[in-house]
Amino acid sequence: AQKITQTQPGMFVQEKEAVTLDCTYDTSDPSYGLFWYKQPSSGEMIFLIYQGSYDQQNATEGRYSLNFQKARKSANLVISASQLGDSAMYFCAMRGYFGNEKLTFGTGTRLTIIP
Amino acid sequence: GAGVSQSPSNKVTEKGKDVELRCDPISGHTALYWYRQSLGQGLEFLIYFQGNSAPDKSGLPSDRFSAERTGGSVSTLTIQRTQQEDSAVYLCASSLDGLSSYEQYFGPGTRLTVT
Repeated sequence: AQKITQTQPGMFVQEKEAVTLDCTYDTSDPSYGLFWYKQPSSGEMIFLIYQGSYDQQNATEGRYSLNFQKARKSANLVISASQLGDSAMYFCAMRGYFGNEKLTFGTGTRLTIIP
Repeated sequence: GAGVSQSPSNKVTEKGKDVELRCDPISGHTALYWYRQSLGQGLEFLIYFQGNSAPDKSGLPSDRFSAERTGGSVSTLTIQRTQQEDSAVYLCASSLDGLSSYEQYFGPGTRLTVT
């Protein structure tokens, strides 16, 4: 079974500061993928970034980077230079392969950017 | 191009009635997923289609829930004899294929309220 743990229910960050959202995972699959999604108050789930378990380098997408520490089973999301539009719920998720393609989500972190 | 679409966007139904929720995936995406999001349970996987086949139905909560996919495209999730605990947002997602593709793209969801 796969499990995602997000221990920060809510965070408040000053605009333009960097923020790290924590995510730890547990799985017995040898190969897996880790994802971060953003859900604004409008409700849509927006894909942000992906990290494969065998990727040697941490994934980056614009202001988003994923701090992947395989031995510690952590996949933290780092948002640089936060903006007011970053205020949303953020979900960490993982999937396996070959029979375990579904996404398993964490409980989410509500991020509020303060002007 | 067009994203994942879902209909209806909102559905209010009386306890005991049947409902059908529809999902139109991104054109060319062979993998389709149903999830639901509720306050008490977070984001839960329901069912995964690869083409018209459903290799993973493990998340369907009871035999009142069923889903089908025709022509490798549109999918319908049916809930029979709805109960109040079925109230949730039902999210559909698609990806290029289920076996190797990375991100899943989500639709806007159907908010189901059972009164």
